[in-house]
Order: sequence, then structure tokens, then C-alpha cells
Amino acid sequence: DIVMTQSPDSLAVSLGERATINCKSSQSVLYSGNNENYLGWLQQKPGQPPKVVIYRASTRESGVPDRFTGSGSGTDFTLTISSLQAEDVAVYYCLQHFTTPWTFGQGTKVEIK
Amino acid sequence: QVQLVQSGAEVKKPGASVKVSCKTSGYSFTGYFIHWLRQAPGQGLEWMGWINPNSGGAHLAQKFQGRVTMTIATTISTAYMELRSLTSDDTAVYYCARDWDVDGSFWGQGTLVTVSS
Repeated sequence: DIVMTQSPDSLAVSLGERATINCKSSQSVLYSGNNENYLGWLQQKPGQPPKVVIYRASTRESGVPDRFTGSGSGTDFTLTISSLQAEDVAVYYCLQHFTTPWTFGQGTKVEIK
Repeated sequence: QVQLVQSGAEVKKPGASVKVSCKTSGYSFTGYFIHWLRQAPGQGLEWMGWINPNSGGAHLAQKFQGRVTMTIATTISTAYMELRSLTSDDTAVYYCARDWDVDGSFWGQGTLVTVSS
């Protein structure tokens, strides 16, 4: 199974400041057939189901604010929230769907400082 | 728009079975695999397996083989996941999710299954 490792486990950022979450996979999730990375980022607020914010490593899901940016390729990925808002407080998970089983990072809890 | 709507919360006794439904709309049901995942209280996400609505074939994570059955009802665009021989460790929110494509992935709202004597 592909192991996904996120860092940090938690992050406290002031409103309006940048939040950066890293995710590393134990093997590449880049599909050579279409040059796409099968890496997504999920946002989960307390008591709610996960919501896809980024897919294919860098494509923002419809309706997601442009302060959310995904980057990276192969085995190293980053989710950046450029200007943290109160509504962004959540746990963020990276996940790979390059192969089954889908596997997830352990989650990063983002809070307001 | 794409929607996956799951059945309501369940409370079951140890040893019982539970069957969760996932009714889809807004896309071609037979065009995408449906995946099932779960999240135990305070824990991360765990992938359980997928079902191909086009063929009815399924692939399960090893730990669920022999205890989980995934089925479909094509005429009503609905997928089902049945989990047998429940224990307290199966207490979790269960999610269905449409497979990924150029428009991303779509998840159900989750179904809480509580196993308690």
C-alpha cells in the first residue's frame, strides 16, 4: 500500500496569514498515461463529511475559494491557504487514488492563532 | 448536479449486520466506480473497497473480505454496502464516494453506524 505522510499534525495561523500543509507519498502517484497526479486534498469540518477542495494535485474543486492552492508532483505535494479565514478551520487530509487501496495522510488540524 | 445520498443512522447489536444505501443522481451511474470508506470516531479515513456498477464486480480491502458485500441496483442508481458480524470496532461513519474524474470526486453525507449491546 502507498503510505501518505502529512506534516505538520497541527497548525495555528493568524487570520489573513498563510497556512502550508505538506504531504509525501511512499511512491509516485503520477500516472504517465496522462501526466496527472492522482492526489486529492479533503477538508473536514467538525461533524461534517469530508469535502474535496483540490484534485489531481492542483485543480480546485468547483466553488472552492482561490486562496486554496495545490502544488507538487510525483511524491511531494503541498496545500497552501494563502490568507486564512475563520471558515477554513478544519482537518485537512491528502489522499492518493493512484491505486487501491486509497490511502490517506493522518490529517492536519488547522486552527486560528 | 451530482449527488450521493446515503441512508440514515443505524444502531446495531454486536454480531448483527447492517446495510447502508447510497442513492446517486446527476451523472451516469454505470460510468463510475463507487467506493466505500469509513471513519471511526476521532480517527482518520479508511478505504473499504469499490464496486463497478457496470458489471457488479467488486474489490474489497483485505481486512473486509468475507465480511462485506457490495451490491448495486442499477434501475434506481443505488449502491449498497452490507457489513456482517458487527463488533464495537465497526462503530463509524460510513461514506460512499463516486470515483474520480476530470470533475473531481463526490461523496455522500455519511451514515453513522453504532454497534452497542
